Amino acid sequence: AQSVTQLDSHVSVSEGTPVLLRCNYSSSYSPSLFWYVQHPNKGLQLLLKYTSAATLVKGINGFEAEFKKSETSFHLTKPSAHMSDAAEYFCVVTERMIYNQGGKLIFGQGTELSVKP
Amino acid sequence: EPEVTQTPSHQVTQMGQEVILRCVPISNHLYFYWYRQILGQKVEFLVSFYNNEISEKSEIFDDQFSVERPDGSNFTLKIRSTKLEDSAMYFCASGGRFYNEQFFGPGTRLTVL
Repeated sequence: AQSVTQLDSHVSVSEGTPVLLRCNYSSSYSPSLFWYVQHPNKGLQLLLKYTSAATLVKGINGFEAEFKKSETSFHLTKPSAHMSDAAEYFCVVTERMIYNQGGKLIFGQGTELSVKP
Repeated sequence: EPEVTQTPSHQVTQMGQEVILRCVPISNHLYFYWYRQILGQKVEFLVSFYNNEISEKSEIFDDQFSVERPDGSNFTLKIRSTKLEDSAMYFCASGGRFYNEQFFGPGTRLTVL
């Protein structure tokens, strides 16, 4: 069985300071891991994905995540927060497969990021 | 950039009525999905669809739900007799050939009164 735990329901940072959103996963299989972002009244946008041996993954808008198998973690970071980063962030796990077989995504509870001026 | 679209953005219905939520996936994608998010809860998988049949469905996806790809471009979710607890945001997603990467639409907010 697969599951995802996002350790913080809400994170608040000041503009220009680093962002850390924490995610731990559990998977019986080798996982693929994703971070999605949801801005108010918008859909779910893919930020980044881990699907291979490169454990440090770079995504859009300056976000990164590092896959740490020993810690079963996939934390999302950004060196310097921007006001436009305020949104809800979801950590997602699925079974890793090169060729899509229609596998379902398992979502975490979400972390709401607030950015103060 | 291609994107998944969904209509309507908001649907209000009376309990017991049938609703159809519509999605247009990305045109060269092969896999199609519905998820839902009840207010304050996680996004939950409902169903996946490939080659004109259901690949996988969750326990939520009971006989009241059905999916269809009627014309090669649209992908629909039908709820035959809505219940109050069906009120949620419903997301459609489509996926390409690799890595189970899924692209989501903006969602339809369903309110059952």
